[in-house]
Amino acid sequence: DAGVTQSPTHLIKTRGQQVTLRCSPKSGHDTVSWYQQALGQGPQFIFQYYEEEERQRGNFPDRFSGHQFPNYSSELNVNALLLGDSALYLCASRRTTGTLGETQYFGPGTRLLVL
Amino acid sequence: GENVEQHPSTLSVQEGDSAVIKCTYSDSASNYFPWYKQELGKGPQLIIDIRSNVGEKKDQRIAVTLNKTAKHFSLHITETQPEDSAVYFCAASSTDSWGKLQFGAGTQVVVTP
Repeated sequence: DAGVTQSPTHLIKTRGQQVTLRCSPKSGHDTVSWYQQALGQGPQFIFQYYEEEERQRGNFPDRFSGHQFPNYSSELNVNALLLGDSALYLCASRRTTGTLGETQYFGPGTRLLVL
Repeated sequence: GENVEQHPSTLSVQEGDSAVIKCTYSDSASNYFPWYKQELGKGPQLIIDIRSNVGEKKDQRIAVTLNKTAKHFSLHITETQPEDSAVYFCAASSTDSWGKLQFGAGTQVVVTP
């Protein structure tokens, strides 16, 4: 049973460029969340997708956008990259059931460096 | 919104001793509290979680306790081993937030042989 997978593992971009990160959820999961983890800090919630719609959004600018596909996989897009966008981007998946939902599992992350 | 504070930021223990990490949360609506272990260069790995209808949960050498009144929850690791060395994060979420996790700042645990 494959866990959460993310691609690419590492990425180097320059300021002003755009980037797309990809995530495939754990088998049986239908909800994907994206987090940004700066060096030495805890993950910060960016947004969450369920049934191809954004359900929750954290305190991130509109430069951060996403998409969920019918097969539950997801993309995170960041436009007009800033140096401060350099971070580990984590994808987490879970199965939305009942009232409490299920446990979230994280992928290995994509390390983004903006020069 | 929810705010989670985690202490200590670093913890050094001798192999075989116990380690305790404490977290507090602010939102009384929070009802789910997972703990993640993150090793260098890897994503967070769930090690144990607890829901608000339970006060304590144990899994081998790891246990978590929850005090809803005081809005405290703690991770206890007994008989620590060098492979327990990692950064540990607590988190909180509520049903209303669709499972959005608010993380603590993390605790660097170092287990010395």
